[in-house]
Amino acid sequence: SQQGEEDPQALSIQEGENATMNCSYKTSINNLQWYRQNSGRGLVHLILIRSNEREKHSGRLRVTLDTSKKSSSLLITASRAADTASYFCATVTLFLPVADRGSTLGRLYFGRGTQLTVWP
Amino acid sequence: DGGITQSPKYLFRKEGQNVTLSCEQNLNHDAMYWYRQDPGQGLRLIYYSQIVNDFQKGDIAEGYSVSREKKESFPLTVTSAQKNPTAFYLCASSTLRDTITDTQYFGPGTRLTVL
Repeated sequence: SQQGEEDPQALSIQEGENATMNCSYKTSINNLQWYRQNSGRGLVHLILIRSNEREKHSGRLRVTLDTSKKSSSLLITASRAADTASYFCATVTLFLPVADRGSTLGRLYFGRGTQLTVWP
Repeated sequence: DGGITQSPKYLFRKEGQNVTLSCEQNLNHDAMYWYRQDPGQGLRLIYYSQIVNDFQKGDIAEGYSVSREKKESFPLTVTSAQKNPTAFYLCASSTLRDTITDTQYFGPGTRLTVL
């Protein structure tokens, strides 16, 4: 499977603690993205890291990528109850030719997600 | 207010009926996608469309059909041939100008239940 696989499946922490989620994948990638999904809602893009990058920050989020181990981690620092959600990694590996455009379209492969619960 | 909308939010269908899920975007995105999400699972790609009047099958296209007559709209029909259609359906879009990043923007989803 080309899908990313998140670990752990579920994570429960107290407010103020850090939350770390991991993602492993099998094939080479162009980039890896993390999305968040609140219960019963659509996904929201959080952060993207390219295959030639090792670390990226966005606010309280820190993403690392180790292409030699085919793994990524998402760290949420100083977590809040509002961070409670499912977090998915998505790898972009397969580029699809776009007819008459001379460009390509990346295909996202999603993992099963990590359910994060942050207790007040 | 730019965004991607889906309707209805909840949909109930009797066995043997076809139903159509709506997806509209005003982000001026060329590419649109339909995913299916089952409980505790990731998203699986049903169909995608790169430009108007063109669409391609994803991993689980059997029992589904789509059309792309307008750039803004990408409706999904769940046919009676889909054996287990109860699921959460998500529509997404992305721009082709920024293909390398391929960030996708998601709608709020439609929960389909077959009675």
